[in-house]
Amino acid sequence: ETAVFQTPNYHVTQVGNEVSFNCKQTLGHDTMYWYKQDSKKLLKIMFSYNNKQLIVNETVPRRFSPQSSDKAHLNLRIKSVEPEDSAVYLCASRSRTGQNYAEQFFGPGTRLTVL
Amino acid sequence: GEQVEQLPSILRVQEGSSASINCSYEDSASNYFPWYKQEPGENPKLIIDIRSNMERKQIQELIVLLDKKAKRFSLHITDTQPGDSAMYFCAASKNNNAPRFGAGTKLSVKP
Repeated sequence: ETAVFQTPNYHVTQVGNEVSFNCKQTLGHDTMYWYKQDSKKLLKIMFSYNNKQLIVNETVPRRFSPQSSDKAHLNLRIKSVEPEDSAVYLCASRSRTGQNYAEQFFGPGTRLTVL
Repeated sequence: GEQVEQLPSILRVQEGSSASINCSYEDSASNYFPWYKQEPGENPKLIIDIRSNMERKQIQELIVLLDKKAKRFSLHITDTQPGDSAMYFCAASKNNNAPRFGAGTKLSVKP
């Protein structure tokens, strides 16, 4: 099956803890993204990676950091979570080489709740 | 970065009627405009997109229009069905930059 996979589906933690979310795509894409979707459904780009190079780094808090081992994986680490980090984190991937305007495919999301 | 405005935020229509969602963008260099549908508990899924070399595109009951001069684009769903009820997001991107999304429209189609 070719798709974008995310783990875990849900995560509940306390303020100050460190969390890490995994994302893997088997679509052969070379660009991956992390979006944050808040309770109002606003979708905001956080990071994008192309061939292990960060190509977009939005003004997100420093406690967030993307981690990539290869072009099929892009994990997201939050060093010390805060209540406002509660949201759904969506991973996406896209083909950048060749066709310029390729469709983004989204993973199922990871819902983070910070108590 | 690119800002995308989307209206309305909530749209209620009667089954069989049309629904229209409007978006505007700031960067005149934007050249790719996808539309996503997101159902409750699901991830966003692409339903239709349009590139800057086109003014109109139709896939079945979905029509997208692009007015590059006005920097506006819109989605029109003709003959709406209850299954069309969902969140809809427009987005705009320039070349291979990460698409920026509008705030979303919650569409409710009443039987």
